[in-house]
Amino acid sequence: EIVLTQSPATLSLSPGERATLSCGASQSVSSSYLAWYQQKPGLAPRLLIYDASSRATGIPDRFSGSGSGTDFTLTISRLEPEDFAVYYCQQYGSSPITFGQGTRLEIK
Amino acid sequence: QVQLQESGPGLVKPSGTLSLTCAVSGGSISSSNWWSWVRQPPGKGLEWIGEIYHSGSTNYNPSLKSRVTISVDKSKNQFSLKLSSVTAADTAVYYCARLAVPVTPNWFDPWGQGTLVTVSS
Repeated sequence: EIVLTQSPATLSLSPGERATLSCGASQSVSSSYLAWYQQKPGLAPRLLIYDASSRATGIPDRFSGSGSGTDFTLTISRLEPEDFAVYYCQQYGSSPITFGQGTRLEIK
Repeated sequence: QVQLQESGPGLVKPSGTLSLTCAVSGGSISSSNWWSWVRQPPGKGLEWIGEIYHSGSTNYNPSLKSRVTISVDKSKNQFSLKLSSVTAADTAVYYCARLAVPVTPNWFDPWGQGTLVTVSS
């Protein structure tokens, strides 16, 4: 199975700053089949990005995804207070589906 | 707009069987989508458990395959999860989710709200 490693584990930033979250895969993810989710306490994950760079419906354009092969990035261009949460990457290039361990984005 | 809602016992005894149901509303479970279960131990990350198509075809995570059964009830527009021989390590919030496009594997959207299942005597 493909192991996804997210870095950093915790990212401390201030509103208005730019956030860069990384997701590395143990082997190449087929066709850039990678998604990103945001999860707030007590809530289900919310889809942000699919196919590495396509924004889901209703997601603000300050969220962008990039990458291919084994290295993927989620960028939040200008942090809003509601963006502080945990972010997970997920690969669906091969079965079994796997998730990264998450990056916690906290207010500095 | 499809919505998912999990239900089932919140407490299961060790060595017992965890049973959950996911009710689908706003759409048909017989649509061309796969339906999945994902779990999240308290304070930890997400783990895919398995999926089912309305025809009854299933795929399971190899790490859980020997203990998992996912089934579908088209008449009730719902699907179910059974996990046998549970231990404390199976304590988690269990989510049901739909694969967003009619191909597996794929990304998940939407998700149910999740239900916490605790394994304890």
